[in-house]
Amino acid sequence: TQLLEQSPQFLSIQEGENLTVYCNSSSVFSSLQWYRQEPGEGPVLLVTVVTGGEVKKLKRLTFQFGDARKDSSLHITAAQPGDTGLYLCAGAFGGFKTIFGAGTRLFVKA
Amino acid sequence: ETGVTQTPRHLVMGMTNKKSLKCEQHLGHNAMYWYKQSAKKPLELMFVYSLEERVENNSVPSRFSPECPNSSHLFLHLHTLQPEDSALYLCASSQFAGREAADTQYFGPGTRLTVL
Repeated sequence: TQLLEQSPQFLSIQEGENLTVYCNSSSVFSSLQWYRQEPGEGPVLLVTVVTGGEVKKLKRLTFQFGDARKDSSLHITAAQPGDTGLYLCAGAFGGFKTIFGAGTRLFVKA
Repeated sequence: ETGVTQTPRHLVMGMTNKKSLKCEQHLGHNAMYWYKQSAKKPLELMFVYSLEERVENNSVPSRFSPECPNSSHLFLHLHTLQPEDSALYLCASSQFAGREAADTQYFGPGTRLTVL
């Protein structure tokens, strides 16, 4: 069974703090996506990483794909209440097969 | 309309009802997906269509029946559902470009289904 484990499952922090979310698997992915989902809405794509070791930045968010393409991290600098949401990672094997982590629920207090 | 749209956004139905969920993608993609999202569980892939042909059916009960009349539209027909089928049903689309391609999926807002 192919699994994608995310940690932590839940994170509650103060505005201005930094945080890192991890996504780990024993499987090798052709690409990995990070999504953010708000209550009652569908996941919204944040980034796709494809190359092992790749680092992508999106304003205060930094995404890294592991060298072996089995894991990834999302780092948020100076978190804001608007960052609150469910963060999902998804590992794609190419074609139609993608597996999803259970998500990290982030709550940023003002 | 842009992206992926889903209707209705909310649906309450009894176990003997028949209803349909609709998804439309405006991205020019050639693959469409149905997922089920339950609380505290990873997204569960239900069906995949590529160029209007079903290519994946992940052991989904027959009370869920998908239909893909063209590459832009996807339906999920529901009948005699159970309370445990209550969940957020998400539609997604992607551009399938070959086995090794990074086929990023784009999601609709979902239909919140409650089965009484």
